[in-house]
Amino acid sequence: DTGVSQNPRHKITKRGQNVTFRCDPISEHNRLYWYRQTLGQGPEFLTYFQNEAQLEKSRLLSDRFSAERPKGSFSTLEIQRTEQGDSAMYLCASSFRQGAVTDTQYFGPGTRLTVL
Amino acid sequence: EDKVVQSPLSLVVHEGDTVTLNCSYEVTNFRSLLWYKQEKKAPTFLFMLTSSGIEKKSGRLSSILDKKELFSILNITATQTGDSAIYLCAVVPNYGQNFVFGPGTRLSVLP
Repeated sequence: DTGVSQNPRHKITKRGQNVTFRCDPISEHNRLYWYRQTLGQGPEFLTYFQNEAQLEKSRLLSDRFSAERPKGSFSTLEIQRTEQGDSAMYLCASSFRQGAVTDTQYFGPGTRLTVL
Repeated sequence: EDKVVQSPLSLVVHEGDTVTLNCSYEVTNFRSLLWYKQEKKAPTFLFMLTSSGIEKKSGRLSSILDKKELFSILNITATQTGDSAIYLCAVVPNYGQNFVFGPGTRLSVLP
């Protein structure tokens, strides 16, 4: 399967614990995005990378959240001191950016986080 | 603030019916609008629209954009139970790279 993959698919944690999610994009894609989706809502943008550079962060991304893409391939999203409000589906998407044309984003299956 | 509104939020139809889903938006310097279908997992890409009045078609699905009135519609003809999903509309502003998603329309097609 050459699509976007995410691990783990499900994570249950206790409030106050740290969690880390991984995203492996489609191999030739230079852009990688993180979104959060809660029940009944569309995905909300968190951050994105072009290669290894983090180019944009949403105000939704508090200082408890950090994302990395160290070699321009896979990415990790870490949430420190989790809160119950962090419970959501965390979606990763990747795309190939060329020039000024809008790049279609391809989504992974998501990681569902439940904070007890 | 950029905003995408979809209607209806929920729709129940029977197989064979035709449905029209609506997406309206307010965004600074619009660039593109995209439609995605989300079943149980990841959203899957359907259409990208950048120009007004040009219909995009894929099988029983079609979509068109009106940049003057700031909306798009997604039509599904001869619906099937496999069309049951959440249909997401996303807008790309010119100043950034992130997609601004609407809340989605949950479509249920009954046999």
